[in-house]
Amino acid sequence: DTGVSQDPRHKITKRGQNVTFRCDPISEHNRLYWYRQTLGQGPEFLTYFQNEAQLEKSRLLSDRFSAERPKGSFSTLEIQRTEQGDSAMYLCASSVGGSGNTIYFGEGSWLTVV
Amino acid sequence: AQSVTQPDIHITVSEGASLELRCNYSYGATPYLFWYVQSPGQGLQLLLKYFSGDTLVQGIKGFEAEFKRSQSSFNLRKPSVHWSDAAEYFCAVGASTGGFKTIFGAGTRLFVKA
Repeated sequence: DTGVSQDPRHKITKRGQNVTFRCDPISEHNRLYWYRQTLGQGPEFLTYFQNEAQLEKSRLLSDRFSAERPKGSFSTLEIQRTEQGDSAMYLCASSVGGSGNTIYFGEGSWLTVV
Repeated sequence: AQSVTQPDIHITVSEGASLELRCNYSYGATPYLFWYVQSPGQGLQLLLKYFSGDTLVQGIKGFEAEFKRSQSSFNLRKPSVHWSDAAEYFCAVGASTGGFKTIFGAGTRLFVKA
């Protein structure tokens, strides 16, 4: 069990640039989640996948955000035309099955937009 | 939709003293309840979870939590706090039907004084 891994761990980008984060879930986990966390707040749900299907998207996920999980394994979260308000930690998590199963988090990807 | 309230933004306790962190949830059906801990700049680690059965659940690091349906609460306790327990603690509720996302509270920061 190698855990959930995220890459990159830190990213500094200029406003208006695009960024992409990658998440590799625990290998047998069919559900994958993305959360966003800002300082002093709890993780906010963004979206989740069951296998390759994106089943739910939060209203927080504006049109500039897109997430994919093309083969039901790793996932990417892309932010286009970044804004300073996008600065946050983006957390990926995975689980087996639904909410009755524990979700396991990665270490997160810090984004700073300057 | 479910929601979680953690009334205390931060708590300070002396090392060796007992600890109780409060959590109240809102959910129409039987909830799945979790406590996670987060050290600065890190991902979230599961402390314990409640799905059904015994309402007093034991977790790692000497933590326990009690589910009280009548009070919609799931408070976290530890009889004797260690300096290494200083961290951010998040209560979370998972849906048992429909969308299976897990929703987090805003967190309680624990400070431990010598």
